[in-house]
Amino acid sequence: DVKVTQSSRYLVKRTGEKVFLECVQDMDHENMFWYRQDPGLGLRLIYFSYDVKMKEKGDIPEGYSVSREKKERFSLILESASTNQTSMYLCASISGSGSYEQYFGPGTRLTVT
Amino acid sequence: AQKITQTQPGMFVQEKEAVTLDCTYDTSDQSYGLFWYKQPSSGEMIFLIYQGSYDEQNATEGRYSLNFQKARKSANLVISASQLGDSAMYFCAMRELYLYTGTASKLTFGTGTRLQVTL
Repeated sequence: DVKVTQSSRYLVKRTGEKVFLECVQDMDHENMFWYRQDPGLGLRLIYFSYDVKMKEKGDIPEGYSVSREKKERFSLILESASTNQTSMYLCASISGSGSYEQYFGPGTRLTVT
Repeated sequence: AQKITQTQPGMFVQEKEAVTLDCTYDTSDQSYGLFWYKQPSSGEMIFLIYQGSYDEQNATEGRYSLNFQKARKSANLVISASQLGDSAMYFCAMRELYLYTGTASKLTFGTGTRLQVTL
């Protein structure tokens, strides 16, 4: 069974704090993604990575950065958290070898106060 | 650019009835895949069904079927014999298929439809 895990289900942080969201997958997938989910907006892609140390901006990268030092781990970083970054964050991964199903983690609900 | 439109923010269906959730898409790609995901209140995204753009038959997975009409660019999800456990948010999504890495691997999602199954 493919497993994508995220470090926290719920997180509360203060404005201006640096926030790390961690995602780990155990299926040796090349591609990993960070999405943000807001009511009425669906899921929007923040950043993705198709290999170690490789990253590309998604549709809404402003205010975020990412790190992929190992194949199984993809971190999302909020350099200085703001209240408009309060959201549900979903990590996902997919193999690069022709499979079509993207596997999601359980999500992290982040509240910035 | 790819775009997914789900025009039904919320739907109600009675238990044991069938329900259709609408999805239309826009793309200039020749080869693409269409997906439906279910998201219960717990938050995890559950993959339901997949349809490739070149698949001639509509995809089916148990009580789920995908009504794929390529000329109309629609990919509606049909749930037969609804159950209380089907109450959830449902997302339609798509991505290019000819490349499996990099940009082409990303999914574009619709805004979702919240389905409520009633007794």
